[in-house]
Amino acid sequence: DQQVKQNSPSLSVQEGRISILNCDYTNSMFDYFLWYKKYPAEGPTFLISISSIKDKNEDGRFTVFLNKSAKHLSLHIVPSQPGDSAVYFCAAGYGNKLVFGAGTILRVKS
Amino acid sequence: NAGVTQTPKFQVLKTGQSMTLQCAQDMNHEYMSWYRQDPGMGLRLIHYSVGAGITDQGEVPNGYNVSRSTTEDFPLRLLSAAPSQTSVYFCASSYSRIAGGHYGYTFGSGTRLTVV
Repeated sequence: DQQVKQNSPSLSVQEGRISILNCDYTNSMFDYFLWYKKYPAEGPTFLISISSIKDKNEDGRFTVFLNKSAKHLSLHIVPSQPGDSAVYFCAAGYGNKLVFGAGTILRVKS
Repeated sequence: NAGVTQTPKFQVLKTGQSMTLQCAQDMNHEYMSWYRQDPGMGLRLIHYSVGAGITDQGEVPNGYNVSRSTTEDFPLRLLSAAPSQTSVYFCASSYSRIAGGHYGYTFGSGTRLTVV
């Protein structure tokens, strides 16, 4: 039972355009959400988070949107840069429980 | 500023062998955890520790043991390796479990384990 789903295994975007990565969850108990970025042969690095009391959080080029009624989370990267090419994991949690999605490979073409 | 250090980076084991994956952090983090990453499965929690002497099971604990004798170290032991344990293993740490959930965990660079 995958409680956190990233339905797009990969996404390809032109440099300078917007990248939108999506994540759906099923457990209404989740009250915080995070995005991680992972380069090959490295561990995931924390990117941005949002709590369930907010619907948007922004950090530079990265914005996370939360739609609680739809149980949907998205990460917007504007403008996309070739260095953003990586695997992006979304994660959702409550209390001591944190569940990761399977990841989306983002390729930014120059 | 080492962060989270995992050793070894690569390991090949034969079925039935045992080994220990090492994890050390120098940030004085109370919370440490082990995840495994498999294709199409994301990161799944194996075991975690909220402080020295305290450990608990995660989502997929079978076949693995942990102990936490110091704040810095959190080794993961494979008791009798099986091909199903072929995976990439990540150690992560944070000031606390809740803080890690809100502010992110610091991950090591991973150990790629193959069991033949």
